[in-house]
Amino acid sequence: EVQLVESGGGLVQPGGSLRLSCAASGFTFSTSWMMWVRQTPGKGLEWVAHITPDGSSTNYVDSVRGRFTVSRDNAKNSLFLQMNSLRAEDAAVYYCARDFAYQTFDYWGQGTLVTVSS
Amino acid sequence: QSALTQPPSASGSPGQSVTISCTGTSSDYVSWYQQHPGKAPKLMIYEVTKRPSGVPDRFSGSKSGNTASLTISGLQAEDEADYYCGNNGVFGGGTKLTVL
Repeated sequence: EVQLVESGGGLVQPGGSLRLSCAASGFTFSTSWMMWVRQTPGKGLEWVAHITPDGSSTNYVDSVRGRFTVSRDNAKNSLFLQMNSLRAEDAAVYYCARDFAYQTFDYWGQGTLVTVSS
Repeated sequence: QSALTQPPSASGSPGQSVTISCTGTSSDYVSWYQQHPGKAPKLMIYEVTKRPSGVPDRFSGSKSGNTASLTISGLQAEDEADYYCGNNGVFGGGTKLTVL
């Protein structure tokens, strides 16, 4: 059974940091492109970041570039998102997802809620 | 690519068919996701017309020009959910489907 389990969300003050984790099982993580996608009531679904299977290449939506860093540990089947300098507009449910082809996401985690507020 | 445009709502009675549009697509890598409240999105259609294993054949996709469509035939109560289209990493705003 495929599972993606996110953790690390919570309440953080503006300007603060959080590190999200995603534990993968049930598929070959080490050969999979992985993504972080976020969802807010107002803006719907938004792709945030992706990372290649070997971790050598990453890309980010413009609004988080320079503040967020995506990484992975294939030995531990884990995906991470380091979020720094958090803003109110970063508040969302963050999902990790597998991109199985051309930014089509076939496996999703249950999501972790990030709240940015003072 | 700009965000994709979907109607905010759609509805139909059990057994009927409903079609949801998605305008602004720029390639044939169009996907559709179903999301029930409090749950993660679920892939229902990919590459315009393909269904992942386990998705009922009541769900079908098509595309004409830059507009993709998701058709659900034989509507069932459990189809009531939000539906999102996706293309090249961009998502539509979602359509809330109500089964009357």
